[in-house]
Amino acid sequence: QKEVEQDPGPLSVPEGAIVSLNCTYSNSAFQYFMWYRQYSRKGPELLMYTYSSGNKEDGRFTAQVDKSSKYISLFIRDSQPSDSATYLCAMRKTSYDKVIFGPGTSLSVIP
Amino acid sequence: NAGVTQTPKFQVLKTGQSMTLQCAQDMNHNSMYWYRQDPGMGLRLIYYSASEGTTDKGEVPNGYNVSRLNKREFSLRLESAAPSQTSVYFCASSKSIPGTGIDTQYFGPGTRLTVL
Repeated sequence: QKEVEQDPGPLSVPEGAIVSLNCTYSNSAFQYFMWYRQYSRKGPELLMYTYSSGNKEDGRFTAQVDKSSKYISLFIRDSQPSDSATYLCAMRKTSYDKVIFGPGTSLSVIP
Repeated sequence: NAGVTQTPKFQVLKTGQSMTLQCAQDMNHNSMYWYRQDPGMGLRLIYYSASEGTTDKGEVPNGYNVSRLNKREFSLRLESAAPSQTSVYFCASSKSIPGTGIDTQYFGPGTRLTVL
């Protein structure tokens, strides 16, 4: 079993839709959670980060962590064609530990 | 401010050939990383360097060597390339976000390597 799992998609939604992207993980020691966005043929860039459980909002993006279920989510409101990318979840146990990345979910937002 | 740069962008090798992937960052970051990205596997850490003069193995180090030449540069060497090393290679550097315990990793544009 992989430590971090994501549905690879592709996920295709119309412009303006609410998008939900999810990751599950197996190691309860993970405490730091991140979402990276990767455009085609580019390197990933950090989108959001959270520590432990709870929600964090940044503009149209909301990151949610449920440690009891070992489940994290990224919600995108009013999705735009410019949101079309692959979204990678990432997590680590401590601030000094290596980052473990999920395989990514490919999202297409259709105008 | 170029961020993280990688050369070359594309490379085709024959089995057994060697090559070095170059990476440089101009953000004065201490930590640097080499990852490979394969379909369905996500990013996997090959080697990392927490500071100038130190390097450590990651998840998939076999078949690779690294050199942290100075604070700016971190190179990855394939001594005898194998088809299993066909992948996209990303270099990254990181800095801590104050008060959060979270590193922001800044990635280069990647090197697309094919080993025939």
